[in-house]
Amino acid sequence: QVQLVESGGGLVKPGGSLRVSCEASGLTFSDYYMSWIRQAPGKGLEWVSYISSNGNIIYYADSVKGRFTISRDNAKNSLYLQMDSLRAEDTAVYYCARFYMTTADYWGQGTLVTVSS
Amino acid sequence: QSVLTQPPSVSGAPGQRVTISCTGNSSNIGAGYDVHWYQQLPGTAPKLLIYRYSSRPSGVPDRFSGSKSGTSASLAITGLQAEDEANYYCQSYDSSLSGHLVFGGGTKLTVL
Repeated sequence: QVQLVESGGGLVKPGGSLRVSCEASGLTFSDYYMSWIRQAPGKGLEWVSYISSNGNIIYYADSVKGRFTISRDNAKNSLYLQMDSLRAEDTAVYYCARFYMTTADYWGQGTLVTVSS
Repeated sequence: QSVLTQPPSVSGAPGQRVTISCTGNSSNIGAGYDVHWYQQLPGTAPKLLIYRYSSRPSGVPDRFSGSKSGTSASLAITGLQAEDEANYYCQSYDSSLSGHLVFGGGTKLTVL
């Protein structure tokens, strides 16, 4: 079955950087768009970014554009989110999800990113 | 404030039927873009519940159903059970937004 496992979350100071990763198994990773979705504590879901199967098409939410970079390594079945210039409002659980026909059909368990001094 | 509006909360007794609405506009639901629904049980990751308005992934009980009318979509849950208590989110594509993808604000379902 499809499994998505995020890692790399943690505590970082405002203005700092962090890279979170997602390792996929149980699917032909290179066939699918992938996405990052986040959820601030006690809040709803927010789509952060998604990337096409070969990495040529990338979208970002306005809230992270210019600060976050999504990438993937199909040889390693891995998805990444490089987060720079982090702000307190970026504090959230970051979920990796398979993106298929405009929906997130499989989700990881999430990794918590806390931005605080 | 999301462009997809959901009621913050709904409630129902076991065995009852509840519905959750998701109201959009002419840039998203009204333009014919698909609506999907997710269930998030307490302390867990969201799970796809309904896709393309009314289709259920394998393993989702037929107590859950979805529909669309005009610029709105709805999720209906019949035969309410205690384990249905969760947050529910609608999601669609919006042609006016950067990145185009949007979630509703979420609805907390309480089983009385």
